[in-house]
Amino acid sequence: GPKVLQIPSHQIIDMGQMVTLNCDPVSNHLYFYWYKQILGQQMEFLVNFYNGKVMEKSKLFKDQFSVERPDGSYFTLKIQPTALEDSAVYFCASSLVPSQNTLYFGAGTRLSVL
Amino acid sequence: QQQVRQSPQSLTVWEGETAILNCSYEDSTFNYFPWYQQFPGEGPALLISIRSVSDKKEDGRFTIFFNKREKKLSLHITDSQPGDSATYFCAASNSAGNKLTFGIGTRVLVRP
Repeated sequence: GPKVLQIPSHQIIDMGQMVTLNCDPVSNHLYFYWYKQILGQQMEFLVNFYNGKVMEKSKLFKDQFSVERPDGSYFTLKIQPTALEDSAVYFCASSLVPSQNTLYFGAGTRLSVL
Repeated sequence: QQQVRQSPQSLTVWEGETAILNCSYEDSTFNYFPWYQQFPGEGPALLISIRSVSDKKEDGRFTIFFNKREKKLSLHITDSQPGDSATYFCAASNSAGNKLTFGIGTRVLVRP
């Protein structure tokens, strides 16, 4: 089936540094999402993105977070600066259309902030 | 406050048995309930879904039973196979639609 690729699979950085998580969504999809999963907890919605804009974001999407997809390349999540509580697995997803349609998820990027 | 609750957290069944996974929710505006299946090292993948206008949805060995009044649903895996060993997430959304609220997942192990 359609694949969403996330790069890297694991990233270790020092607190205060900037990190960029990369996502290669399904090629003809138009809607993109990031979810965050802290160890032992449920996956939580961070943000969705369409046509170059953030459509909706949760309270977890702090001011230090930003997303973009320049010129149809990777859909990225940037955290600057990082904090210890940002340690989690971040899942990217994409869908062809919004509103209760199938989301295709990547395998996640495990971010460890030291 | 968890909007979507799942139980049990883990479940072990023998091959051929029926595994029953439970899910409940708080928000009465939720009307779409997908179940995602996740194998180790992979992302969650849509397994089966139901909308609140239905009380049952079947797809092969997987069946969702939905009780709108009690805000509960369950996923039944009949004739469980070792290949069904995975984590299963119950999720929910409303008609605004773009945001899924996930449960914590149920880890299922099917012993041969």
